[in-house]
Amino acid sequence: QFPLIQPASVSGSPGQSITISCNGSRSNIGAYSSVSWYQQHPGKAPKLLLFEVNVRPSGISARFSGSKSGNAAYLTISGLETEDEADYHCSSLTSRSTEVFGTGTTVTVL
Amino acid sequence: QLVESGGSVVQPGDSLRLTCVGSGFTFNSFSMNWVRQAPGKGLEWISYISLSSTVIYYADSIRGRFTVSRDNDKNALYLHMDSLRPEDTATYYCARAPTTSNWFDPWGPGTPVTVSA
Repeated sequence: QFPLIQPASVSGSPGQSITISCNGSRSNIGAYSSVSWYQQHPGKAPKLLLFEVNVRPSGISARFSGSKSGNAAYLTISGLETEDEADYHCSSLTSRSTEVFGTGTTVTVL
Repeated sequence: QLVESGGSVVQPGDSLRLTCVGSGFTFNSFSMNWVRQAPGKGLEWISYISLSSTVIYYADSIRGRFTVSRDNDKNALYLHMDSLRPEDTATYYCARAPTTSNWFDPWGPGTPVTVSA
């Protein structure tokens, strides 16, 4: 299974909004509303940010939102904060009942 | 909470068993997954095991070499790895998933595995 494609890096200034794309295919993102996003700070384990495209677990800021269109999913971070500087990973259920992650995106707060 | 252990430095062709112990929740009510991350790379899902071990899935990259199992009486998840290759070098995470869902929460802190001659 090939990984989902994410931009290697995205940057923004504090207070701005940024969007990270996650491109898949008809056998993963395009087939299911089972897209998740994870935040990972350096040296730490990933942390669930969103599931089922746009559902936030308890404790996750409303500044994080998700959407899906066709074979692609998107994570938007509004009101960018310095603590948002981290790696972000998307994932999706696949038609083989496995899971596939994205290539990962490093967010830099300028 | 999830905590992995068993990571080590091994040689190509060696075997290794990783363990993940869960606490603070009803272990046998959740499916479990293993995910790995090679140094400087993205996450790679490698295995899923259902509540009672009746359903198991593997990534193509490790199928036939790795075996996942669980012992619900011990709140433990295992990953037995055979015929290890340098490309298996990674931090290995265990992650909990709701029964009929595919999102992972929480994750353990990870255990490092290095395969090198």
